Amino acid sequence: GAVVSQHPSRVICKSGTSVKIECRSLDFQATTMFWYRQFPKQSLMLMATSNEGSKATYEQGVEKDKFLINHASLTLSTLTVTSAHPEDSSFYICSAPPYADTQYFGPGTRLTVL
Amino acid sequence: AQKVTQAQTEISVVEKEDVTLDCVYETRDTTYYLFWYKQPPSGELVFLIRRNSFDEQNEISGRYSWNFQKSTSSFNFTITASQVVDSAVYFCALSPPTGTASKLTFGTGTRLQVTL
Repeated sequence: GAVVSQHPSRVICKSGTSVKIECRSLDFQATTMFWYRQFPKQSLMLMATSNEGSKATYEQGVEKDKFLINHASLTLSTLTVTSAHPEDSSFYICSAPPYADTQYFGPGTRLTVL
Repeated sequence: AQKVTQAQTEISVVEKEDVTLDCVYETRDTTYYLFWYKQPPSGELVFLIRRNSFDEQNEISGRYSWNFQKSTSSFNFTITASQVVDSAVYFCALSPPTGTASKLTFGTGTRLQVTL
């Protein structure tokens, strides 16, 4: 079945550093991927739509300079949290559609900023 | 604008009980998709079902069943004979059909705890 992977699964970093999270579609190509953020015991909030070969589309209120998205190939999208601060600590999840109108999710990355 | 409401924040049942998770949605789109996802403690979202707004037939998959009522904008999920492994957070979600990837609007989730 369709699989989406994320790396790393967990990362702890110091305040002010940048962290890169990778999202890969393992057995299908995805021209579009999505990045979500989930705070503890809360729902998933869409951050941005990652488009292969073009700029990402960010949701209202999401700082594009803080959350850099690069979709360099049909199987890889990366999210870089720049100059991370404790308030950026969260669970970040990506998703990709193996076929129209259905999304499969990665296992998530738990980011802790000290 | 799209909105998904899951009024039940937490439900606790004893194993083998049946449990229904409610989902009510709002959309101005005439066609749309509805989803249910399961999020176990590990965090990974597991796809359970996708339902097209044209198809109001109820669906059963093993112990899981879904009741789609377009007239009341509801898409409820029932687990029959619940098991401890069903303990998780369940999310209902809504998207407009675009023919390609569509943004999902999630409900706030229902945390299900199944005990022995």
